[in-house]
Amino acid sequence: DSGVTQTPKHLITATGQRVTLRCSPRSGDLSVYWYQQSLDQGLQFLIQYYNGEERAKGNILERFSAQQFPDLHSELNLSSLELGDSALYFCASSVGVSGELFFGEGSRLTVL
Amino acid sequence: TQLLEQSPQFLSIQEGENLTVYCNSSSVFSSLQWYRQEPGEGPVLLVTVVTGGEVKKLKRLTFQFGDARKDSSLHITAAQPGDTGLYLCAGHGYGQNFVFGPGTRLSVLP
Repeated sequence: DSGVTQTPKHLITATGQRVTLRCSPRSGDLSVYWYQQSLDQGLQFLIQYYNGEERAKGNILERFSAQQFPDLHSELNLSSLELGDSALYFCASSVGVSGELFFGEGSRLTVL
Repeated sequence: TQLLEQSPQFLSIQEGENLTVYCNSSSVFSSLQWYRQEPGEGPVLLVTVVTGGEVKKLKRLTFQFGDARKDSSLHITAAQPGDTGLYLCAGHGYGQNFVFGPGTRLSVLP
């Protein structure tokens, strides 16, 4: 158990819909990262927050947005979903702005 | 953009065999990490290497960071079925975020 909690574990939805994925980092960790993992793309960095502020942005689509709340949990919002958005979405946390990443078990999104 | 390549992409071996997987880049990293990911779970950190030429051992696993800090290798001695999984390397560039390689999918058959 990494201490990082992600919900939901599985989500099935239709194209055009919007979903929200939730992540609670390990106690004491200030950084939250979001990654997308698909079979043909590997683990792709989406975005990082540190203590409530956006720290770094990766290959995150404009249809996607995220935020980190004062209690340090984070949400990833995916809108206007397309078939190609089907993937595993991982949240990871770390104490500082770099260092060991602790990953949650992921949220598997299926867009039909 | 920093890119990491891993080889081989897939590896299937018998229990007891030795193996080496590689992680290569044209970029220099301040540190490099190796993770193992099992089906249905998130990646779990195995090791972090920081110094060029550094060698770290974790039981039957030996990790090496290249002298130029652009590449790394993971050697497993006497592989066991429990070593089966996806091995990911992740490089941390100077002032940049982690970038992950595509992974080596290892299958150790009993």
